[in-house]
Amino acid sequence: KNQVEQSPQSLIILEGKNCTLQCNYTVSPFSNLRWYKQDTGRGPVSLTIMTFSENTKSNGRYTATLDADTKQSSLHITASQLSDSASYICVVSPPDSWGKLQFGAGTQVVVTP
Amino acid sequence: DTAVSQTPKYLVTQMGNDKSIKCEQNLGHDTMYWYKQDSKKFLKIMFSYNNKELIINETVPNRFSPKSPDKAHLNLHINSLELGDSAVYFCASSQEEGRGGSYNEQFFGPGTRLTVL
Repeated sequence: KNQVEQSPQSLIILEGKNCTLQCNYTVSPFSNLRWYKQDTGRGPVSLTIMTFSENTKSNGRYTATLDADTKQSSLHITASQLSDSASYICVVSPPDSWGKLQFGAGTQVVVTP
Repeated sequence: DTAVSQTPKYLVTQMGNDKSIKCEQNLGHDTMYWYKQDSKKFLKIMFSYNNKELIINETVPNRFSPKSPDKAHLNLHINSLELGDSAVYFCASSQEEGRGGSYNEQFFGPGTRLTVL
């Protein structure tokens, strides 16, 4: 069973609307949680990195939250743009892992005009 | 451009062939990685090198052999290709990842789509 589960699997939203993606993980303990954006045909690009002691981190219109007690994270996209169409991947890093990250399967977001 | 680059971007080959994928980073990073992204989009780490030394070697077939001639390059050689090897392979790099929970952003290359016929 994968240790990082994301929902929904896919999402269609209208341009200008907001949306929230969910990530539940069982990796414990963990060092940090990351959200990546992967455009079609490209490599993932880091959006946010949060340590276990951080609750929220923003990067422009992207805001990630973390609840280490319930082992949940969310990524909120504000005022979506067409360029936000991509797969958003939640990634958890155990401590002492030498960069060995645990990846979720991603949420595919499609923003329509 | 400062980046992680991979060649080729697409690779189509027959079963049983041997092929290599090259990766180079000019970010001055100490650590490089190879990932495999399967059809379900999961990214799984295969190997990691730190200053040319292997530090992560996941349970991949020994037909896969990484080679790091210097810390800016990490190439992936695959022998006797099989149908199940078809996937997108990503190279990535970061500053040295520590054991103590420190973290460094991983920068990914554009990927190499390998298709084995």
